[in-house]
Amino acid sequence: NAGVTQTPKFQVLKTGQSMTLQCAQDMNHEYMSWYRQDPGMGLRLIHYSVGAGITDQGEVPNGYNVSRSTTEDFPLRLLSAAPSQTSVYFCASSLGWRMPPTNEQFFGPGTRLTVL
Amino acid sequence: QKEVEQDPGPLSVPEGAIVSLNCTYSNSAFQYFMWYRQYSRKGPELLMYTYSSGNKEDGRFTAQVDKSSKYISLFIRDSQPSDSATYLCAMSGGSSASKIIFGSGTRLSIRP
Repeated sequence: NAGVTQTPKFQVLKTGQSMTLQCAQDMNHEYMSWYRQDPGMGLRLIHYSVGAGITDQGEVPNGYNVSRSTTEDFPLRLLSAAPSQTSVYFCASSLGWRMPPTNEQFFGPGTRLTVL
Repeated sequence: QKEVEQDPGPLSVPEGAIVSLNCTYSNSAFQYFMWYRQYSRKGPELLMYTYSSGNKEDGRFTAQVDKSSKYISLFIRDSQPSDSATYLCAMSGGSSASKIIFGSGTRLSIRP
């Protein structure tokens, strides 16, 4: 199993550009989520999905879109990049979402995004 | 006010010391409490989880929850340089059952 994979590893954008961060998992996990990690702010939930076709907003959803057309993939779209979106983005998946241990989050390696 | 508060540190202790890491929270509906460990430039990994008030031990690690005070702790005994990492508390439950809310993380360094 590859686990959770993310592409790209690094990305530099100019203000106003759009892009999609890719996330895929091969563990047949029901739950997938996107977090951003900033110094002193910890992991903040952007969007999450409890299954194919179902998505919902997290703590900081503005400026991001998601979709979940398959169980395996959960791409994150930046609509119009802003310097405030400079961050490390982590995708995670879990078998379930209601309680431990099934809601144990398996994280990808992260994407380091810089917006100039 | 953030739902989960965690002292960011950094915390530096000598090898062999007992380490105490703490989080406070404001949402009384949280039922599940987790600790994740994150090494530099890696994604976090689950270390321990607990369901309710009380202690849970796993080797050198003990997780403690006091729901009446809305306070959770992670103790590391006989700390090792390999324990140097960022430790994040995380919580879920109640109306936020489908969301896992993380603390800001405490950066821990164990000096040989």
